Amino acid sequence: KAGVTQTPRYLIKTRGQQVTLSCSPISGHRSVSWYQQTPGQGLQFLFEYFSETQRNKGNFPGRFSGRQFSNSRSEMNVSTLELGDSALYLCASSLDSSVPDTQYFGPGTRLTVL
Amino acid sequence: DAKTTQPPSMDCAEGRAANLPCNHSTISGNEYVYWYRQIHSQGPQYIIHGLKNNETNEMASLIITEDRKSSTLILPHATLRDTAVYYCIVRRPGGATNKLIFGTGTLLAVQP
Repeated sequence: KAGVTQTPRYLIKTRGQQVTLSCSPISGHRSVSWYQQTPGQGLQFLFEYFSETQRNKGNFPGRFSGRQFSNSRSEMNVSTLELGDSALYLCASSLDSSVPDTQYFGPGTRLTVL
Repeated sequence: DAKTTQPPSMDCAEGRAANLPCNHSTISGNEYVYWYRQIHSQGPQYIIHGLKNNETNEMASLIITEDRKSSTLILPHATLRDTAVYYCIVRRPGGATNKLIFGTGTLLAVQP
């Protein structure tokens, strides 16, 4: 079974631009979560989507948003990019039918904001 | 979710067992202990999880103390490829609480 895939793997943007990152979960997985990893703050939870609805949200400004499609694929968007948004953005998927529910991570998208 | 405490770094000789400790003294009765690892700049890799019994899979063993306040991840024969940051996470069962809180983890350096 294919793992979680994320595109693009690397991205360079300038301040003020916006960016969209994509995540394809493992086949059959219905929950998709997004995380941001920076050297200063470590790995932080952004939000989680299940059945096309945001179910959990971390403590990030409204510039960070996401959505999930009917096939469980998810996108996250960051508007008005700031230098501090440079990070590794990770997506994780899970079945959401078992207890406990194990999340599996993709390779990440490395975003650099200049 | 309960907080965890891990040593910031550990060394291990190649071929020896690596024992990574984790303290979770405020763990609740229905919270699981999860271990992930992250090799430099890659996505975290799931290793193993447990509730109260010891668990073993092809990657590692997880030993949870009887009072559940601490646990140890054991890599039986460490290789250079096991050099990574290891995260111990305590979380409630999935569903509406599907969110992992990562601490700073333990950087395991396997030495040749």
